[in-house]
Amino acid sequence: DSGVTQTPKHLITATGQRVTLRCSPRSGDLSVYWYQQSLDQGLQFLIQYYNGEERAKGNILERFSAQQFPDLHSELNLSSLELGDSALYFCASSGTGAGTGELFFGEGSRLTVL
Amino acid sequence: DAKTTQPPSMDCAEGRAANLPCNHSTISGNEYVYWYRQIHSQGPQYIIHGLKNNETNEMASLIITEDRKSSTLILPHATLRDTAVYYCIVRVAGAGNKLTFGGGTRVLVKP
Repeated sequence: DSGVTQTPKHLITATGQRVTLRCSPRSGDLSVYWYQQSLDQGLQFLIQYYNGEERAKGNILERFSAQQFPDLHSELNLSSLELGDSALYFCASSGTGAGTGELFFGEGSRLTVL
Repeated sequence: DAKTTQPPSMDCAEGRAANLPCNHSTISGNEYVYWYRQIHSQGPQYIIHGLKNNETNEMASLIITEDRKSSTLILPHATLRDTAVYYCIVRVAGAGNKLTFGGGTRVLVKP
């Protein structure tokens, strides 16, 4: 158990719809990262937040947005969904200060767009 | 972050050591070598990391060449549960730095 919690674990929806994925980081971790893993793309970094502020941006579509709230949980919003958005979405968190810089990953949210 | 090159797949026998190579010829002086693994669609799991010295923990050993252009992850006694995709990643250490995953090596441990 990494200590990172993601909900929902599975989600099935239709094209054009909007969904929200939620992530609770490990206690005390200020950084949250979102990754997308589809069959043909591998693990792709989407976006990172640090203590409520956007820290780094990867290959995140304009239809996708994220935020980190004062209690440090994060949400990834996916809108105008397309078939190609079907994927596993992982959230990870990391601590602060000196250390390994290890990222702790949740078990993912599997999104299926029909 | 420097790029890494790993073989796409490899098999190893249960109970034997598994040696996973990684090339990172463009690594910078302040970049560490990290290894993660992903067991069948679960979240990636940290294994080990190092800068230039060899490292060992309860999961694995990491051997880094003197010029730091390549490394080897060693699973000393592979079990069936070690079947996974193993990712070698080079990045600056410390909090707040994302991981950039490549294709990894798909390791199949056979009985």
